[in-house]
Amino acid sequence: GNSVTQMEGPVTLSEEAFLTINCTYTATGYPSLFWYVQYPGEGLQLLLKATKADDKGSNKGFEATYRKETTSFHLEKGSVQVSDSAVYFCALSDQGGGADGLTFGKGTHLIIQP
Amino acid sequence: GAGVSQTPSNKVTEKGKYVELRCDPISGHTALYWYRQSLGQGPEFLIYFQGTGAADDSGLPNDRFFAVRPEGSVSTLKIQRTERGDSAVYLCASSPTSIRDTQYFGPGTRLTVL
Repeated sequence: GNSVTQMEGPVTLSEEAFLTINCTYTATGYPSLFWYVQYPGEGLQLLLKATKADDKGSNKGFEATYRKETTSFHLEKGSVQVSDSAVYFCALSDQGGGADGLTFGKGTHLIIQP
Repeated sequence: GAGVSQTPSNKVTEKGKYVELRCDPISGHTALYWYRQSLGQGPEFLIYFQGTGAADDSGLPNDRFFAVRPEGSVSTLKIQRTERGDSAVYLCASSPTSIRDTQYFGPGTRLTVL
């Protein structure tokens, strides 16, 4: 079946540090890949997505590249801000097999200190 | 425009009781999804509606869980004979037409079974 594995948190960084949150996946078909973010007290929001191999999704300074050869979709940002503190979820949608909903990782809690 | 709304925001019930959770999707969205998120975990897919019909209910954990969407808009998730293990945040999402579209999430209903 499908699965998503992402690095355990919490991840604590200082403001302006470089961020990487690792995400790897297993899928039976040809998945689309997503990063969702949950800010404190708010609902899940789509941060970025990529629908095929070698695509790069980007938004709000965050980037992730769909790497089929390593089955990865790592999230990066060059300079984090306190306002980036949130829980980040990697997810996949497998349109070639498996359930029709998104498969999520467990989430990574990011804490940015001023 | 209005996003996905869910009611109630919090529900406390006793073991063995019946509960109903409501989801109002974004107007015009034909695809609707229910997920369950336990503490410290990512959301888990429960069921996907395309219009009025359940296109994929493979995530429902057992026959105590049931969901309907009689007019292709509002959906109700129904849980019979609740158990303490059902305690979680229940999330609803909608997308314009299909599983290939971005899903927009509601704020969730926090269910506590005492």
